[in-house]
Amino acid sequence: DTGVSQDPRHKITKRGQNVTFRCDPISEHNRLYWYRQTLGQGPEFLTYFQNEAQLEKSRLLSDRFSAERPKGSFSTLEIQRTEQGDSAMYLCASSLVGGRGDGYTFGSGTRLTVV
Amino acid sequence: QKEVEQNSGPLSVPEGAIASLNCTYSDRGSQSFFWYRQYSGKSPELIMSIYSNGDKEDGRFTAQLNKASQYVSLLIRDSQPSDSATYLCAVSGAGSYQLTFGKGTKLSVIP
Repeated sequence: DTGVSQDPRHKITKRGQNVTFRCDPISEHNRLYWYRQTLGQGPEFLTYFQNEAQLEKSRLLSDRFSAERPKGSFSTLEIQRTEQGDSAMYLCASSLVGGRGDGYTFGSGTRLTVV
Repeated sequence: QKEVEQNSGPLSVPEGAIASLNCTYSDRGSQSFFWYRQYSGKSPELIMSIYSNGDKEDGRFTAQLNKASQYVSLLIRDSQPSDSATYLCAVSGAGSYQLTFGKGTKLSVIP
């Protein structure tokens, strides 16, 4: 296993279109997180899953955003009716339950540009 | 609202010097503290974690935590040009695996 994989790496979409991103975590990691990062800012928490259960969602996650993690493996993040303000790097990370929480392993991210 | 504050920099140090990066946090209940390094256009990479007051050393890196002052720092000894990056401080609270990040400090190591 080579780490957390995200697909696609880049996505350019027109305002109003729907987009979906995929994240494949490290195989033995049962926690999966989505963060969003804009230029000059640190990553902002969006949501996280433990196995297939979505345990926490940020207020940043409007009704246009939905995340799933069927069967507790890969996860998808969908943004409906995209807006220019959605342009950002979307980062996925994973970690293992039971440890002290020794930080996450991040994927390479999906850079979304809404035009 | 949990906040993590960092000086955005840029912080410039000559090669071989000690770089000192600082972070303060607002939530007294915070229990886990992390430093991530992020190269331009790349994703964050964990370099240090610290949970107890005091110092923790790993190679050229030393993390320092003072919970009474709500202060975390990272020292990089013998700084190298390859250390030039943005350093993100991140904090999580009791029973939470959500990390709150600062905006990051941009470090430039001058050869």
